[in-house]
Amino acid sequence: KQEVTQIPAALSVPEGENLVLNCSFTDSAIYNLQWFRQDPGKGLTSLLLIQSSQREQTSGRLNASLDKSSGRSTLYIAASQPGDSATYLCALDSGGGADGLTFGKGTHLIIQP
Amino acid sequence: KAGVTQTPRYLIKTRGQQVTLSCSPISGHRSVSWYQQTPGQGLQFLFEYFSETQRNKGNFPGRFSGRQFSNSRSEMNVSTLELGDSALYLCASSSGQVKSEQYFGPGTRLTVT
Repeated sequence: KQEVTQIPAALSVPEGENLVLNCSFTDSAIYNLQWFRQDPGKGLTSLLLIQSSQREQTSGRLNASLDKSSGRSTLYIAASQPGDSATYLCALDSGGGADGLTFGKGTHLIIQP
Repeated sequence: KAGVTQTPRYLIKTRGQQVTLSCSPISGHRSVSWYQQTPGQGLQFLFEYFSETQRNKGNFPGRFSGRQFSNSRSEMNVSTLELGDSALYLCASSSGQVKSEQYFGPGTRLTVT
């Protein structure tokens, strides 16, 4: 059974810093990995999707990497802004879509102005 | 292109009642997945529908059921509500193809009193 762990559970940094969020998983037989952000009481916004054959994806100030052999993914946020404050979740697709995504518990990020 | 919509956004029900939640996927998407999010358990997969067929189901009791219509809209039903069913219920839409990206709706906040 796939298990997903996100470290740290919470993080508070001053505006402008670069930061890294970590996601580790136990089963490397995955189809893809998605990073989401969730604002309080809201739904999930997809940030980046990395297919199992890819090593990284970039979107603006965000860069996500995937290392299946070590069971790790990182989300790098450059030049953080207060608007980046949210909970960041990583999710793995191990069943080709039909089995649903397996989520970590998330990293609660606060960017101090 | 309109995103995933969920109705209602908020619900308050009494123990023992039943409830029906609705999800309209992105136009052209044929897969709808449902998730329950609670502070203690995080996001957990309920079930996934593709072309009106349930392809998989998570580890939830039979009180949780769903269906999908020919227009891909989906409904989720919870019977005999318990206090522990209080949660944010999220649906996700995708093309249904292997490795496809999941797009989430804003969720329905269910409170059981």
